[in-house]
Amino acid sequence: EPEVTQTPSHQVTQMGQEVILRCVPISNHLYFYWYRQILGQKVEFLVSFYNNEISEKSEIFDDQFSVERPDGSNFTLKIRSTKLEDSAMYFCASSKRRDRVSGELFFGEGSRLTVL
Amino acid sequence: QKEVEQNSGPLSVPEGAIASLNCTYSDRGSQSFFWYRQYSGKSPELIMFIYSNGDKEDGRFTAQLNKASQYVSLLIRDSQPSDSATYLCAALGSSNTGKLIFGQGTTLQVKP
Repeated sequence: EPEVTQTPSHQVTQMGQEVILRCVPISNHLYFYWYRQILGQKVEFLVSFYNNEISEKSEIFDDQFSVERPDGSNFTLKIRSTKLEDSAMYFCASSKRRDRVSGELFFGEGSRLTVL
Repeated sequence: QKEVEQNSGPLSVPEGAIASLNCTYSDRGSQSFFWYRQYSGKSPELIMFIYSNGDKEDGRFTAQLNKASQYVSLLIRDSQPSDSATYLCAALGSSNTGKLIFGQGTTLQVKP
């Protein structure tokens, strides 16, 4: 069964360092997303991406964050200068469509980011 | 602020019983609603989605949607200990970007 894959599964970094989280969405999906979940809190939307551009971003997704689809398969989230409060599980997701009929998202296993 | 609200629980039911999980949403423009199951430390796993008023059944799961009351529910029949998890309700945002707005989740405990 096709799945969304994410690397690394866990990354520990020092505050102020740059981090890149990588994702390979399901191959025939067109819409890509990043969400995050701080321990014990709700899953929060960060950004949606379609046709090589951002469709929507949340207030969390400030200038320190960027996304890129550098080739036909990878989808990356970069945090330029990490802060302690960036510590969270980051989930990549993809969907075939985004309408009400078939807009279901499929999530990767997540990348746990720990900022020290 | 567009919100999805759930009772965090825990909801405890005996094995074999029906578990009823509820969710309300604030954005009347939301058109689809999703139920995800999340085991501790794992990613959300889609159970089912609903976009029409009424009931939608899939195996032991039934989703119910009442748009007038802005209310979504998930019934799990014949609950099993393996159903013990956190259940996340999510609304498809009205911005047409595919964004999902999640509730905080309800923790379900099924006791053998």
